[in-house]
Order: sequence, then structure tokens, then C-alpha cells
Amino acid sequence: RKEVEQDPGPFNVPEGATVAFNCTYSNSASQSFFWYRQDCRKEPKLLMSVYSSGNEDGRFTAQLNRASQYISLLIRDSKLSDSATYLCVVNDLMYSGGGADGLTFGKGTHLIIQP
Amino acid sequence: GAVVSQHPSWVICKSGTSVKIECRSLDFQATTMFWYRQFPKQSLMLMATSNEGSKATYEQGVEKDKFLINHASLTLSTLTVTSAHPEDSSFYICSARIRQGVSYNEQFFGPGTRLTVL
Repeated sequence: RKEVEQDPGPFNVPEGATVAFNCTYSNSASQSFFWYRQDCRKEPKLLMSVYSSGNEDGRFTAQLNRASQYISLLIRDSKLSDSATYLCVVNDLMYSGGGADGLTFGKGTHLIIQP
Repeated sequence: GAVVSQHPSWVICKSGTSVKIECRSLDFQATTMFWYRQFPKQSLMLMATSNEGSKATYEQGVEKDKFLINHASLTLSTLTVTSAHPEDSSFYICSARIRQGVSYNEQFFGPGTRLTVL
């Protein structure tokens, strides 16, 4: 059974702080990795893909450690609007090809930014 | 681009009735659509994978006779919850994947359908 584990939180941090989330995945053959953001009672939205070399998008930095099967997300200069649940997501196929290959979601880490 | 819609956005029904949820890709063709379910404070769980023109592939533990999936075109997949019971109350979310050729496996999610069975 494919599993993705995350610390559920909640993480309560003051506005402007830096916060980091971690995630581990069980399937060593996993190929694609993502961070999604989900607001309360809404669908998940892609925040960023995670590449082996690490990647940055504005205030967000994602890292992947394949050897340890570990993914991280760093948020710098946090804003009130960053309050949400952050989902670590893993997929085992690089390219589309049909079949039962949906995404495997972690339970999410709940982040609360306090003014 | 890459917009996915779902209809209805919420539904309340009596126990024993059937409910149909539609998932549409509005501005792209989706060879594959996925159906997920999310219970309160839980992660999204994949229920089934739907490929256009073929039978859906269900995840272990999901009853195919209870959750009927039809993917008749490249822009529409439907999920029918037959003889719904209160334990089927959940947030049902579909996603669609663009046709082959993309370099990574991004899925685009619909806004979800909140089902409450009384």
C-alpha cells in the first residue's frame, strides 16, 4: 500500500515567520512529487511540483531527497493568506498512460498564520 | 486554461436514492479522469480511475456496483452513487489529466461535490 506521511499540525506561526513542512513517502519507485494547497471545504490546488534538484517559486522552496524518501516545503515571510492545509502528493508515473495511477495524498499539514 | 467543473456543487438526498455527479473538463480533452473522496479531516482517497471509452479501474475496497462511473467522452465523466446511505456522505472530487505528451503528471481538480445523505 502506497503511503504518504505528514505531520498534521496545526502549525501556528506569526506573520512574517519562516515555516517548514516535511513529508515521507513509502514507495521508492515514485516518480513525481507535488505540494498542493487546500483551503477549507475547497478542492486542492497545485502549489508547486518538486524536482530532484530542488526548486523555488517566490517565497516557497521545495526539496526532494530520494535516498531518504523525504520531501520538504519551506515558506518564507509567511502571509496571513498562506493559512491553509498543505498536502504532500506523490505519483508513480512520469507520463500519462492511463490505468489506476491517481495521486496519493498525505493527510495534510494545517498551517495557521497569526497576525 | 485547464478548468474542471463539477455539478452539482452540493446535494442533500434521502437514504436509498441515487445521486449522479458530473465532472467536465472545460477547455481541454482529458483521456483520464480520477474520482476521489475526502471525509472530514482526512486525506483525499482515490476511488477510481476513469479512461475514456473503457471501464473504470477501482481502488481496493471501493464497490464498483455502488459507485458507477461512466466516461463517455473526452470531456465528461460521471459518478453515480447508487442507493446512497449516510456513510456515503462525503466530499467527492474529480480531477482530469491532459492527454499524453506532458512531461509531468499534473492533474486539474474540480471544485468538488459535497454529498449529504439523510
